[in-house]
Amino acid sequence: DTAVSQTPKYLVTQMGNDKSIKCEQNLGHDTMYWYKQDSKKFLKIMFSYNNKELIINETVPNRFSPKSPDKAHLNLHINSLELGDSAVYFCASSQGRRGNQPQHFGDGTRLSIL
Amino acid sequence: DQQVKQNSPSLSVQEGRISILNCDYTNSMFDYFLWYKKYPAEGPTFLISISSIKDKNEDGRFTVFLNKSAKHLSLHIVPSQPGDSAVYFCAASGAYSGNTPLVFGKGTRLSVIA
Repeated sequence: DTAVSQTPKYLVTQMGNDKSIKCEQNLGHDTMYWYKQDSKKFLKIMFSYNNKELIINETVPNRFSPKSPDKAHLNLHINSLELGDSAVYFCASSQGRRGNQPQHFGDGTRLSIL
Repeated sequence: DQQVKQNSPSLSVQEGRISILNCDYTNSMFDYFLWYKKYPAEGPTFLISISSIKDKNEDGRFTVFLNKSAKHLSLHIVPSQPGDSAVYFCAASGAYSGNTPLVFGKGTRLSVIA
């Protein structure tokens, strides 16, 4: 009965491939996020959707494309994977788009590029 | 440019004693601060928060102190327990001033020794 679930948990793939990570939340929240935690352990916001509308789009290569089919889902598609994309990607959700609402995180997807 | 800094990468404390984790920020627009706890292979979990109109917030064994003039906050855990061993992230946002996204520090690894 996981609140925020991401699949897959691990993803190992070759450079140049295209891959997707899925995220679903059952908390009834209206805002969802994608974060990247790189090798230096910084957790950085990539995208945020509120009621299926993109509200935050940080400086991220356009090879990364988020898709929100409904309020409960936010998927991340990555084209032409590069070595620097290796990281842990976390999905999160909150009720409301203001930064004063605690975010609930999934357990992360560890992406390794060979 | 790190807007949220946790200068101690690690901290070891004896069980039963106080743990003090520190965090500094540089952006004057930040008006809401949160602490998250993270176990290995799991996502961050919200612990406690404080808004800039307060200087202290307490929840059981956890207390967060905010010193706005020094742009400094700290998390106190009393008494520390072995189950508190985790990585603690400080995060800040301009929730009320500019609705800016959450910015995370690099984390401090706390080890509570029995």
